Amino acid sequence: QQQVKQSPQSLIVQKGGIPIINCAYENTAFDYFPWYQQFPGKGPALLIAIRPDVSEKKEGRFTISFNKSAKQFSLHIMDSQPGDSATYFCAASSPSSGGAGSYQLTFGKGTKLSVIP
Amino acid sequence: IAGITQAPTSQILAAGRRMTLRCTQDMRHNAMYWYRQDLGLGLRLIHYSNTAGTTGKGEVPDGYSVSRANTDDFPLTLASAVPSQTSVYFCASSDSSGTSQYFGPGTRLTVL
Repeated sequence: QQQVKQSPQSLIVQKGGIPIINCAYENTAFDYFPWYQQFPGKGPALLIAIRPDVSEKKEGRFTISFNKSAKQFSLHIMDSQPGDSATYFCAASSPSSGGAGSYQLTFGKGTKLSVIP
Repeated sequence: IAGITQAPTSQILAAGRRMTLRCTQDMRHNAMYWYRQDLGLGLRLIHYSNTAGTTGKGEVPDGYSVSRANTDDFPLTLASAVPSQTSVYFCASSDSSGTSQYFGPGTRLTVL
């Protein structure tokens, strides 16, 4: 059972465009929604994150929009640049069954973004 | 250098062999995690540890074991490797808030 569904699988935009990556979740226990950026040959790196008590969060050119009732959230990249070309993963987390202080992340399958000059 | 180190960077292994992937963090994080990343499947949690001395099973634990003897180290062992364990393995850690996970550079493992 896939708990976090991410789309599209791949995305190509022109420099300056605004790519949008969408995720939907099923588990209402999720209470933290991070996005990770991964460059080839590297580990994922935390990009931006949101909690369900806000509908939008901006950090630089990256914005998360969150719709709690629809159980959906999305990443928007403003004024995209070739250096933004990477794979983006959405994730959702809830406290692990092992006890407080540890969150398990459930990842979407990723979106490969290519920004062409 | 602060962060997570993993070793080896890559490995080719014959099926049936035993293999331990090493992971060390110097951030004094309580929680550590092992994921595997496969094309089209994203990152899947194998095992985790909330604190030294405790471990738990993730989404895909079969064929893998872990130990957490101290805060810094979290090795992942494949007792008898099979080709379906060919993957890129990432170790991660998080602080006491548990929310932000920091990933290592990964180990690319090929089982023939």
